Amino acid sequence: KQEVTQIPAALSVPEGENLVLNCSFTDSAIYNLQWFRQDPGKGLTSLLLIQSSQREQTSGRLNASLDKSSGRSTLYIAASQPGDSATYLCAVRPNSGYALNFGKGTSLLVTP
Amino acid sequence: GAGVSQSPSNKVTEKGKDVELRCDPISGHTALYWYRQRLGQGLEFLIYFQGNSAPDKSGLPSDRFSAERTGESVSTLTIQRTQQEDSAVYLCASSLQGVLPYLNSGNTIYFGEGSWLTVV
Repeated sequence: KQEVTQIPAALSVPEGENLVLNCSFTDSAIYNLQWFRQDPGKGLTSLLLIQSSQREQTSGRLNASLDKSSGRSTLYIAASQPGDSATYLCAVRPNSGYALNFGKGTSLLVTP
Repeated sequence: GAGVSQSPSNKVTEKGKDVELRCDPISGHTALYWYRQRLGQGLEFLIYFQGNSAPDKSGLPSDRFSAERTGESVSTLTIQRTQQEDSAVYLCASSLQGVLPYLNSGNTIYFGEGSWLTVV
């Protein structure tokens, strides 16, 4: 069974810092990996999707990398802002089946 | 519509009553998912629909849970004889899956804001 782990569980940084969120998964037979953010009381917003054949994806201040063989992905946030405060979730889709396996998330607080 | 729409946004029900949750996926999306998130927990997969194929019901926690979807339209998740442990936010998501599988945009999954269920 695919296990997805996110480290750290919580993170607090001052505004302007660059930061890295980590995601690891136990089964490298994945179809893709997706990063989401979840704001309190809200649904999930898709940030980046990386296909299994890709190494990274970028959107604005966000960069996600994927090392499928080692079972790792990182989400890099440059020049963090208070508006980045949210829970960030990593999810992997297996090669077989469509159900995403989610990590428990990293709760990020960016202080002014 | 512009996004995945869910209703009701909030529901408080008495233990033992049945509830029905509704999801309107993004127009044209063939794939539809239901997930559950209990307070402080991760997302649990419940069920997956892809077009007219048989749904993947492997995540449904008990026979009190059922879901339907007609074609590529609205889906309903029904919980019978609700229990307090059913209290959670029920999230629906959709994607183009299967239509553009080789493109990131075809695989991106979009979530609704959820239906918050409280069983008292």
